[in-house]
Amino acid sequence: DVQLVESGGGLVQPGGSLRLSCETSGFTFSSYWMHWVRQAPGKGLVWVARINPDGSVTHFADSVKGRFSLSRDDAKKTLYLRMASLRVEDTAVYYCTRTSGAGPDFWGQGTLVTVSS
Amino acid sequence: NFMLSQPPSLSESPGKTVTISCTASSGSIASNYVQWYQQRPGSAPTTLIYEDNQKPSGVPDRFSGSIDSSSNSAFLTISGLKTEDEADYYCQSFVGSNPWVFGGGTRLNVL
Repeated sequence: DVQLVESGGGLVQPGGSLRLSCETSGFTFSSYWMHWVRQAPGKGLVWVARINPDGSVTHFADSVKGRFSLSRDDAKKTLYLRMASLRVEDTAVYYCTRTSGAGPDFWGQGTLVTVSS
Repeated sequence: NFMLSQPPSLSESPGKTVTISCTASSGSIASNYVQWYQQRPGSAPTTLIYEDNQKPSGVPDRFSGSIDSSSNSAFLTISGLKTEDEADYYCQSFVGSNPWVFGGGTRLNVL
């Protein structure tokens, strides 16, 4: 079975940094585009970032460009989202997703990031 | 900017049929695939419909997706409503190589 398990969320002060991880299993990780989608409390889903199968191409939402970075470790089958210069408005549940086409086919359970002083 | 608009909420009774719309702000809704996701309270989203009208294994036949070019909209139809269908529903698409765009979500109340 495909599994995506996020970790690394928590409480951080504005301006701080955090690294989220997404451990995967049940599929050939190195063959898929992977994305992060976030959801602020009580709000809808918003796309954050994506990385291609070999890790050579990344794209970011304008709201996080220059502050967030993406990487992947195929040996560990793990996706990483490095978040820096965090703002209060980055507070959200962050979901790791796999895509085999036009949208996510599998979602992780999410990890909560709270940016507050 | 490409946007997808959904009604904020809908209510319907158990056993009935409900249709949730997702209208594109620009371009043709038929130009790129539309997906639908269900998010029950306190849970992560799950994929209900992909590529306009395809269902992952395990999704009941009560759920179906369609596209109507004349209204530039996609639709999610749920028949034989059950109380367990009470959830938030999101549509999603994209334009060209641009990133995913999600609709604002529709809260479905089954009462």
